[in-house]
Amino acid sequence: DAKTTQPPSMDCAEGRAANLPCNHSTISGNEYVYWYRQIHSQGPQYIIHGLKNNETNEMASLIITEDRKSSTLILPHATLRDTAVYYCIVRVALIKAAGNKLTFGGGTRVLVKP
Amino acid sequence: NAGVTQTPKFRILKIGQSMTLQCTQDMNHNYMYWYRQDPGMGLKLIYYSVGAGITDKGEVPNGYNVSRSTTEDFPLRLELAAPSQTSVYFCASSWGLAGGNTGELFFGEGSRLTVL
Repeated sequence: DAKTTQPPSMDCAEGRAANLPCNHSTISGNEYVYWYRQIHSQGPQYIIHGLKNNETNEMASLIITEDRKSSTLILPHATLRDTAVYYCIVRVALIKAAGNKLTFGGGTRVLVKP
Repeated sequence: NAGVTQTPKFRILKIGQSMTLQCTQDMNHNYMYWYRQDPGMGLKLIYYSVGAGITDKGEVPNGYNVSRSTTEDFPLRLELAAPSQTSVYFCASSWGLAGGNTGELFFGEGSRLTVL
């Protein structure tokens, strides 16, 4: 699976959009981009994933560049409860014999400030 | 649905003791996983299973064993506990990506283990 690079930390203001970058310059054509977050030592929580197209759900939007070498997770209106470590993960589509195991890096520690 | 349930939530072991971390899920997921997370670090995969009776090693399997006799349960066994196994352990389960599923992993709340 391709390696990802994320800034170790970032702050954002409550109510503003939070834009979390992720670099995955060695991504292959069949690899998805996943985002998870972990709030204060709880189990990680799935946010969103995508392959080529931009994706949006009730939690966030995922913008993937045309060359797929980087992506941005957007939290449209950050709240204090969005303070967490955010993980960007790249992996191939599910291989039946290998499950959907994910490799977590260090992530970005996001602090939402009032 | 209770989701993924892990027990115990906290445990202190002495060096050389053994124990089993229990994990059960009620979502009928095929795939299950065990991760560990050391302080300030990301999660590392210990073992995973793609179905009952099938298990495989992850990134850091040494010192652990697993079994998968049913779809619901995926216990993690620690033999001869060592201080290096002090960590938070997370169990997770998932569907695959077929049928419109996201393939997302559902995690339990974690089990904090201290080996002294």
